[in-house]
Amino acid sequence: NAGVMQNPRHLVRRRGQEARLRCSPMKGHSHVYWYRQLPEEGLKFMVYLQKENIIDESGMPKERFSAEFPKEGPSILRIQQVVRGDSAAYFCASSPRELPAGNTIYFGEGSWLTVV
Amino acid sequence: QKEVEQDPGPLSVPEGAIVSLNCTYSNSAFQYFMWYRQYSRKGPELLMYTYSSGNKEDGRFTAQVDKSSKYISLFIRDSQPSDSATYLCAMVGGATNKLIFGTGTLLAVQP
Repeated sequence: NAGVMQNPRHLVRRRGQEARLRCSPMKGHSHVYWYRQLPEEGLKFMVYLQKENIIDESGMPKERFSAEFPKEGPSILRIQQVVRGDSAAYFCASSPRELPAGNTIYFGEGSWLTVV
Repeated sequence: QKEVEQDPGPLSVPEGAIVSLNCTYSNSAFQYFMWYRQYSRKGPELLMYTYSSGNKEDGRFTAQVDKSSKYISLFIRDSQPSDSATYLCAMVGGATNKLIFGTGTLLAVQP
C-alpha cells in the first residue's frame, strides 16, 4: 500500500468541529475511493471519485459528509460538525482504472479520527 | 443478509499450522476476489487477487474460489507469528464499481 498518501494520520476534534482528511492517490491513478472502518467492523464503502467527479456516493451519510477530488491536488473527505459516532479510521484507496476491469485498489495507511 | 459474510474469529493457531480463512457471498455477479491483510493500526495490504473460479498460489498463500457455491478461501501454510493480523476478503463484479468487504477474521499465530 505504499504510494497512497493520507494525512493526517491521527486527528482529534471536539464535537461540532470540522475534520478534513486528505488523500493523494498512487502515481498514475485517477480513481479514488474512501472507506470507513469502525472498531471491530470491516471496511464500509463511502464514496468513489474520479478527477472533478463524484461517481458513486451511495455510502456517504446524507448530512455533514462531503468529498471532492479536484483537478489539482489531493482528494478531500470533509466532515462537518463532527459527533462522537464519527470516530473511526478512514481509508483512502486508488486504482488506475474503473473497477472491475481486471483491477484492484491499493490502500493508504488511514486517518484515525477521534472526536472528544 | 450481508452481501459478504466472514467469520470474525478470533482464530488462534500454533506456529507451523495450516490456516483456512473463508468467506461466502450472495451476489452471483461477483467475478474478482481479493484477500487483504491488515495489521493493527495499518492500512489493508493486498495479498491475493483471483478472477472467477479456481486456485491461485503465491508462496505460502493459496486462494481458492468456488463460484458455484459462492465460497472463497485463503489458505496459509506453515503459519508464522508475523502472519498474525486481520484478513479481509473483498470482491467486485457485475454492476458494482467498488470493492465489497467482509468484516475480517482476526488471526493469531502462537509461537
